[in-house]
Amino acid sequence: AQSVTQPDIHITVSEGASLELRCNYSYGATPYLFWYVQSPGQGLQLLLKYFSGDTLVQGIKGFEAEFKRSQSSFNRRKPSVHGSDAAEYFCAVGSGANNLFFGTGTRLTVIP
Amino acid sequence: DAGVIQSPRHEVTEMGQEVTLRCKPISGHDYLFWYRQTMMRGLELLIYFNNNVPIDDSGMPEDRFSAKMPNASFSTLKIQPSEPRDSAVYFCASRSDTWDEKLFFGSGTQLSVL
Repeated sequence: AQSVTQPDIHITVSEGASLELRCNYSYGATPYLFWYVQSPGQGLQLLLKYFSGDTLVQGIKGFEAEFKRSQSSFNRRKPSVHGSDAAEYFCAVGSGANNLFFGTGTRLTVIP
Repeated sequence: DAGVIQSPRHEVTEMGQEVTLRCKPISGHDYLFWYRQTMMRGLELLIYFNNNVPIDDSGMPEDRFSAKMPNASFSTLKIQPSEPRDSAVYFCASRSDTWDEKLFFGSGTQLSVL
């Protein structure tokens, strides 16, 4: 069965600290992987995606994500977090955008 | 383009009433999706359309839910009768038929059924 697990419901970090958002998936075929961000009262916006090729994907605002097939993971990292990064982040997996399975999200709080 | 437009932003209704949520996708997008977001279950795909035709409605929770797309620029999600457990944020999203696979989401409708 397809599923996405984001083990951290809420993460609090200090501004300038490094960050890793975890995402593990279970999928029967080669997955397409996505990270979306949701700001308060807003819909979701695509941050980055992985289809194939280089397993390290660069996104906007200094974020990157790495696909590790052996670990069924697509964790997202940033070396130095900014206050504006505070939001809720969703990992999603599917065989395409038509049948995405979303994780339950990780809420990021940034302390000045 | 104004993006995906949903209305209303907030809806408060009483149990048993009919609720209609509306969505205008981005012009030129071939696909339209309805998602429901709750704290417990996160984001769930309810149904999606391709060129106004429903392709997969397996996520629609029960017969009380129905969705239509009468034309390329408008879709509705209807709940009749509504129940308190339907309270959630309902998102509409659209995308074009390209390799990009990028979904564009509306701002959502916050539904509260009392």
